[in-house]
Amino acid sequence: QQQVKQSPQSLIVQKGGISIINCAYENTAFDYFPWYQQFPGKGPALLIAIRPDVSEKKEGRFTISFNKSAKQFSLHIMDSQPGDSATYFCAARVQAGANNLFFGTGTRLTVIP
Amino acid sequence: DTAVSQTPKYLVTQMGNDKSIKCEQNLGHDTMYWYKQDSKKFLKIMFSYNNKELIINETVPNRFSPKSPDKAHLNLHINSLELGDSAVYFCASSQGTSGNTGELFFGEGSRLTVL
Repeated sequence: QQQVKQSPQSLIVQKGGISIINCAYENTAFDYFPWYQQFPGKGPALLIAIRPDVSEKKEGRFTISFNKSAKQFSLHIMDSQPGDSATYFCAARVQAGANNLFFGTGTRLTVIP
Repeated sequence: DTAVSQTPKYLVTQMGNDKSIKCEQNLGHDTMYWYKQDSKKFLKIMFSYNNKELIINETVPNRFSPKSPDKAHLNLHINSLELGDSAVYFCASSQGTSGNTGELFFGEGSRLTVL
């Protein structure tokens, strides 16, 4: 059973455009929602994270939008660059759990110069 | 300085063999994990150890056995390898298991191919 649903599976964006990746969940016990970025041949690395008491978090060109009532959150990459080409994973963690992160299925982003 | 290092990076072996993957972290973290990433890039947790104690043990065949000799090391031993075990195995570590300190630091992965 997929705890976190992610879409799209792949995304192609022109340089300078906005990349948007969406995730949805059902478990209201989730208390922490990170996004991880993975380059080919590397392990995932934390990009940005949000807690459910905040509706938006911005770090540079990366913004998470969080809609608690809809149980959805999304990653927006502004002014997308070729160097942003990677696979992006959303994730969610159960409150006060053993840091068990449930990952989405990943979105392969390609930014065309 | 590599924060989370795994060896070997590549492993090709025959069905039925036994193999081990080693992981070490030099971040001083108290929690370590093994994740499996399949051919479709899906990441799933297998095990987690906190201060050498097993705290997460997902539904994984008992052919997979983790071992944590100390806080900085978490090894994965796999018996009687099957074709379906082919995947990339990631080791990760974190400081703590809750709050904002739960950031996972991943190694570069160990690609296991079972022929």
